[in-house]
Amino acid sequence: AQTVTQSQPEMSVQEAETVTLSCTYDTSENNYYLFWYKQPPSRQMILVIRQEAYKQQNATENRFSVNFQKAAKSFSLKISDSQLGDTAMYFCAFMKVAGTASKLTFGTGTRLQVTL
Amino acid sequence: DTEVTQTPKHLVMGMTNKKSLKCEQHMGHRAMYWYKQKAKKPPELMFVYSYEKLSINESVPSRFSPECPNSSLLNLHLHALQPEDSALYLCASSQSGTVTTTNEKLFFGSGTQLSVL
Repeated sequence: AQTVTQSQPEMSVQEAETVTLSCTYDTSENNYYLFWYKQPPSRQMILVIRQEAYKQQNATENRFSVNFQKAAKSFSLKISDSQLGDTAMYFCAFMKVAGTASKLTFGTGTRLQVTL
Repeated sequence: DTEVTQTPKHLVMGMTNKKSLKCEQHMGHRAMYWYKQKAKKPPELMFVYSYEKLSINESVPSRFSPECPNSSLLNLHLHALQPEDSALYLCASSQSGTVTTTNEKLFFGSGTQLSVL
């Protein structure tokens, strides 16, 4: 079974600063996908960024980038130029590559507060 | 259109009631999911439908009954629920339901907040 660990329950960052959220995972799979989802107070889960395990290049989406270390099973999210709208719960998630169905396993989340 | 629409947004029901949650997507996705999320916890998978067939049931109690009438619609029928079933119920969809498809990712609706009295 896969496990996803987010060791930072809460973090705070000032507007325009950079913050990094940590995520580690445990799996015996070689082929899989990793995600960061954001859940603002509206409670809708919004996809932030996606990484394929077979790709060495780190994914980027505008102000969001990841540091994917496959050997270390680490997948951190860096948010640059933080904005008030980035305030949310952030979940790291693992998707197993399988023939039957996609199955997302979520970490416990990191609550990020962006302050003025 | 990248929306997954869930209705109702809020639902209050008694333990003897029967109610249904509805989820709809028009992205041509062939997989749909129900997740349950308790306060301050991550979402937990309940069911997966792939090509309108139930492919995963995570040992969910029978008082929750999923239904997929077509590839765009997903229902969750609720009967004789317990107060501990109060939670946010999230629906999601993805392109194929198999991660062998490139660019597979889940799109979520905004959820139904369910309270069981």
